[in-house]
Amino acid sequence: DAKTTQPPSMDCAEGRAANLPCNHSTISGNEYVYWYRQIHSQGPQYIIHGLKNNETNEMASLIITEDRKSSTLILPHATLRDTAVYYCIVRSHAGNNRKLIWGLGTSLAVNP
Amino acid sequence: KAGVTQTPRYLIKTRGQQVTLSCSPISGHRSVSWYQQTPGQGLQFLFEYFSETQRNKGNFPGRFSGRQFSNSRSEMNVSTLELGDSALYLCASSWTGDPQETQYFGPGTRLLVL
Repeated sequence: DAKTTQPPSMDCAEGRAANLPCNHSTISGNEYVYWYRQIHSQGPQYIIHGLKNNETNEMASLIITEDRKSSTLILPHATLRDTAVYYCIVRSHAGNNRKLIWGLGTSLAVNP
Repeated sequence: KAGVTQTPRYLIKTRGQQVTLSCSPISGHRSVSWYQQTPGQGLQFLFEYFSETQRNKGNFPGRFSGRQFSNSRSEMNVSTLELGDSALYLCASSWTGDPQETQYFGPGTRLLVL
């Protein structure tokens, strides 16, 4: 079973920041938080991942709380092309736990 | 660098037939994982291959099998197809030189079983 909880849907106005929350209260010390997104019927696209420090790349920022029990993905200036299902996944890099276990994700609608 | 490629992109089969799907990883990536995505079950892990060896397996029946070749290309096979096997099959590759082995996905093969 997925170890994360996300709201099923969110809306965001184009040009505004989209803040997508994720709860992972049972995360282990060696597990990373990964974010992927899937635009309708396409393959999932890797966005960002982190262990405990905040991370930023050209696509997004990842804010992880100090206790690591939750995180927020931030798309700083959402565009219509950011409309997708966003998945938050916790993942170990060891042995059989290396696989990605997917939850239901958050369906983000960016509105003009 | 080219991304993960999957062939064919679309496939229609009938019950009882078998099917083989192909995945070419990103150049230099030696690990390949397969996932099944259906509306009812979401994305589920099938198996992972590295250096021609299966190193991780999900909870799917034996009708689902895979293999990896020396050039890291991978195939998955589904025998005796059932209606419930209709799904988007996704392949992901990762670079073992990356400590986190981040997985990068292909576009998927959409299989319809009639």
